[in-house]
Amino acid sequence: KAGVTQTPRYLIKTRGQQVTLSCSPISGHRSVSWYQQTPGQGLQFLFEYFSETQRNKGNFPGRFSGRQFSNSRSEMNVSTLELGDSALYLCASSGGFSYNEQFFGPGTRLTVL
Amino acid sequence: AQTVTQSQPEMSVQEAETVTLSCTYDTSENNYYLFWYKQPPSRQMILVIRQEAYKQQNATENRFSVNFQKAAKSFSLKISDSQLGDTAMYFCAFIPNNAGNMLTFGGGTRLMVKP
Repeated sequence: KAGVTQTPRYLIKTRGQQVTLSCSPISGHRSVSWYQQTPGQGLQFLFEYFSETQRNKGNFPGRFSGRQFSNSRSEMNVSTLELGDSALYLCASSGGFSYNEQFFGPGTRLTVL
Repeated sequence: AQTVTQSQPEMSVQEAETVTLSCTYDTSENNYYLFWYKQPPSRQMILVIRQEAYKQQNATENRFSVNFQKAAKSFSLKISDSQLGDTAMYFCAFIPNNAGNMLTFGGGTRLMVKP
């Protein structure tokens, strides 16, 4: 089975721009979660999509948004980028239940200049 | 709101020895799940071990075992016969039952296994 894939792997943007990151889950998984990882704040939950609906949302500003398509692929968008948005963005897929293992992708390293 | 605390930012252990990583959490939930995830330098996060709060028996996975103390809200990870490949960041994570897949992570412990 192919693992979770994320594209692009690296991204450099400037302040004020917007960015879209993509995540393809493991085949058959209906849940995709997004996390932001920074040295200062650690791993923080952004949001979760399950069957094309946002099921959970973390404590992030509205500049962070996402969506999920019918094939379970997910995208997250960050608008009006700030320097503090520089981070590793991880997505994880699972069957959707809390006890399920979440399978993580390799991440997208976003640098905001 | 749940919080997860890992009090040891860095640890080191000699190859073949045993090391224990600490994790405490705070929650008002009674039914939940706890996880230890490993993030090697390559960055791909992988599950090490999982514990259901309603199970009193501690989970084990080969060289990895946990000491789950529900009353104390403690969930430590013991790695036996440490190997060089165990060098990684280890994250303790918590999720209430029926909360979808919204993991709350601790700050992580960087483990270095020395030859």
